[in-house]
Amino acid sequence: QQQVKQSPQSLIVQKGGISIINCAYENTAFDYFPWYQQFPGKGPALLIAIRPDVSEKKEGRFTISFNKSAKQFSLHIMDSQPGDSATYFCAASRASGAGSYQLTFGKGTKLSVIP
Amino acid sequence: GAGVSQTPSNKVTEKGKYVELRCDPISGHTALYWYRQSLGQGPEFLIYFQGTGAADDSGLPNDRFFAVRPEGSVSTLKIQRTERGDSAVYLCASAGGRLATNEQFFGPGTRLTVL
Repeated sequence: QQQVKQSPQSLIVQKGGISIINCAYENTAFDYFPWYQQFPGKGPALLIAIRPDVSEKKEGRFTISFNKSAKQFSLHIMDSQPGDSATYFCAASRASGAGSYQLTFGKGTKLSVIP
Repeated sequence: GAGVSQTPSNKVTEKGKYVELRCDPISGHTALYWYRQSLGQGPEFLIYFQGTGAADDSGLPNDRFFAVRPEGSVSTLKIQRTERGDSAVYLCASAGGRLATNEQFFGPGTRLTVL
């Protein structure tokens, strides 16, 4: 059972355009939703994160939109640049009884921003 | 300060051999996670440490996998009798300190190849 579904698998965007990546989750106990950016040969780097008590969070060119009733959230990258070309992962977590906030990841979206 | 470091960056071994992968978390971070990332997939949770103890090892695939964190800092992931299916990138993440405990910072990973 895939608890976090991510789409699209790959995305090509023109420089200056808006990149949109979508995720849907199943477990309503999730209470923390981060997005990670990963370049080849590197570990994932935290971009931006949101909690379900807000519907939107913006940091620079990156915005998360969150729809609790639909159990969906999305990442918008405004004014996309070639340097944004990377794989993006959405994730979700909740506190376990052991104090763990283990992350459940989507399968990733490979973004290519072309000049 | 320094981020999460992992050694070695690459490890090639033969089927049936034993391997150890090391993780140095961010100084002061009490929470430490191991994840495994197969090609084209998102990371999958393996084990979580809070301090010295393995508080949640529910993600370990079988008893060939074991991890320790004897002094509450450096952690070692140990894999016995390696199989070709163990080939993946093994990621370590730490969390805690002054920031929210569920903000996880990843290392660059160890790419394990089992021939």
